Amino acid sequence: GAGVSQSPSNKVTEKGKDVELRCDPISGHTALYWYRQSLGQGLEFLIYFQGNSAPDKSGLPSDRFSAERTGGSVSTLTIQRTQQEDSAVYLCASSHRGGGSSYEQYFGPGTRLTVT
Amino acid sequence: AQSVTQLGSHVSVSEGALVLLRCNYSSSVPPYLFWYVQYPNQGLQLLLKYTSAATLVKGINGFEAEFKKSETSFHLTKPSAHMSDAAEYFCAVSETNTGNQFYFGTGTSLTVIP
Repeated sequence: GAGVSQSPSNKVTEKGKDVELRCDPISGHTALYWYRQSLGQGLEFLIYFQGNSAPDKSGLPSDRFSAERTGGSVSTLTIQRTQQEDSAVYLCASSHRGGGSSYEQYFGPGTRLTVT
Repeated sequence: AQSVTQLGSHVSVSEGALVLLRCNYSSSVPPYLFWYVQYPNQGLQLLLKYTSAATLVKGINGFEAEFKKSETSFHLTKPSAHMSDAAEYFCAVSETNTGNQFYFGTGTSLTVIP
């Protein structure tokens, strides 16, 4: 079956520009996560959506970062006024249920963002 | 608060040798525990998970992990390393009471020496 997809796979942008990253989760999964993975680093939690509940935004590094999830499905992560330190791989994951459950996350291939 | 510690950011083993990747967690309640693997230039995929059934969990590619409550550990092992096991391995925890997040360790990079 179809897994989690992300687009674009690679994005090169100039410092100061806005970017939008898209995530299509597995159909029927109510939980959706965004993570950031910098070179040689672990996973940095960014934001979590669970059904129609208010998202957990506690991991967003600054107010330049925002995300939305429309219709409980597709999610878009927006980074405004990009900075070079935003360069990383952005990973999306979905799950039948969120944290506190035994359901594992299914990860997309990621979007590699390079800010020049 | 939940935390996950992976001891050793880099581990090297010879082909055919035992693989042991360490993971310790802190939790006030019994957690769910996961190991993920990330091959070069790929996304993360699940190796195995502990969900309070058997304490010894078997996963894909010959890996297994044992939940030890007294040691708050969930170490990953494989009896005989293969070249294809070279990857980044992440331990993750999900608390069973509340919480909106999975908590990931910082990862262990496994190198297999021929």
